[in-house]
Amino acid sequence: DVKVTQSSRYLVKRTGEKVFLECVQDMDHENMFWYRQDPGLGLRLIYFSYDVKMKEKGDIPEGYSVSREKKERFSLILESASTNQTSMYLCASSFRTRGADTQYFGPGTRLTVL
Amino acid sequence: AQTVTQSQPEMSVQEAETVTLSCTYDTSENNYYLFWYKQPPSRQMILVIRQEAYKQQNATENRFSVNFQKAAKSFSLKISDSQLGDTAMYFCAFMKHSNAGGTSYGKLTFGQGTILTVHP
Repeated sequence: DVKVTQSSRYLVKRTGEKVFLECVQDMDHENMFWYRQDPGLGLRLIYFSYDVKMKEKGDIPEGYSVSREKKERFSLILESASTNQTSMYLCASSFRTRGADTQYFGPGTRLTVL
Repeated sequence: AQTVTQSQPEMSVQEAETVTLSCTYDTSENNYYLFWYKQPPSRQMILVIRQEAYKQQNATENRFSVNFQKAAKSFSLKISDSQLGDTAMYFCAFMKHSNAGGTSYGKLTFGQGTILTVHP
């Protein structure tokens, strides 16, 4: 079975702190994604990566950055956390194929910024 | 840009009955894929079913089936013989294929979600 893990289920940080969210997948997937999930808004794509050291902005990249130094690991960085970044963050991964790439999701990290 | 709309924030159904969740989308693409994902309470999101737009036949996975109406841009999910374990948030999602630097990847656009509660 595909396994996507995230470093924390719950995280509480203070405004202005630098926050790292880690995601690891064990299926040798080329693609990795970071989403945030908010009530009434569904999931929105923050950043994605289709290869090591490659990254592309999603729909809401402001205030975030990412790092992918190894194929299995994709990190989301909040340079200076703000209260409006309180949310559920979901990581996903998929193969890079010609057809539909089924995305496999991690359990999520619920981040609270005080 | 694509948009996906789920107009039912919450729905409920009695165990063993049938329920249909609605989803509409807007796109100018001709080739794309549609998905339904399920997110149980405090558990990971998993794929329920997917549909390729070029296929006219509706996808089916056991008790889950879709009604794909391409012209109407509608993609509803029918759950038959509902079970307590079907209680979850359900998301409809759209994917078109994109290319960057010769690679290919799939970006998902999600709807707002529908909370389904199955009552005993």
